[in-house]
Amino acid sequence: GNSVTQMEGPVTLSEEAFLTINCTYTATGYPSLFWYVQYPGEGLQLLLKATKADDKGSNKGFEATYRKETTSFHLEKGSVQVSDSAVYFCALIFFYSSASKIIFGSGTRLSIRP
Amino acid sequence: DTAVSQTPKYLVTQMGNDKSIKCEQNLGHDTMYWYKQDSKKFLKIMFSYNNKELIINETVPNRFSPKSPDKAHLNLHINSLELGDSAVYFCASSQEGSSSEQYFGPGTRLTVT
Repeated sequence: GNSVTQMEGPVTLSEEAFLTINCTYTATGYPSLFWYVQYPGEGLQLLLKATKADDKGSNKGFEATYRKETTSFHLEKGSVQVSDSAVYFCALIFFYSSASKIIFGSGTRLSIRP
Repeated sequence: DTAVSQTPKYLVTQMGNDKSIKCEQNLGHDTMYWYKQDSKKFLKIMFSYNNKELIINETVPNRFSPKSPDKAHLNLHINSLELGDSAVYFCASSQEGSSSEQYFGPGTRLTVT
């Protein structure tokens, strides 16, 4: 079946530290891969995406590369800020009839201390 | 302008009651969804509608009934509320396409006492 596994949190880092949040997936076919972010008290926002192998998604200093050989889509940022504190969800999308179906990972809470 | 809106933002009610959550999107999307997020932040799809037709119906108790009066609205009605229904419910929408992003509403926090 289709599933997403991401590293458990919480992850606590100091400002300007390097961030990696691991994400691996199992899927039939070739899904698109996404990272969503949920800031406290808000809904989910798309952070970045990659639609095929070797694509790199990037936004707000975050990057993730779609690695088909390792079935991974790890999220990285070179220098985190306090404002990056949020819950991050790795997700894959596949298409079911006329709708897209997202499978989310369990979420990783990130806390950045000043 | 808010792209995907939900009302109410908070809903506190007693066991056994019936309640509804409304969702509207002004993005012109064809497809709308309901998700449930539990206390551990785990997100799971419940339903999906495309142009007012049910497309995805995950294993959800039949106390939950989605209704789509038009493609811009997808409401969620819940009968005989139970303690385990307490969660945050998110509505989302997307346009059909090979890599369609889903846009999420702000969520409705439902507390059943």
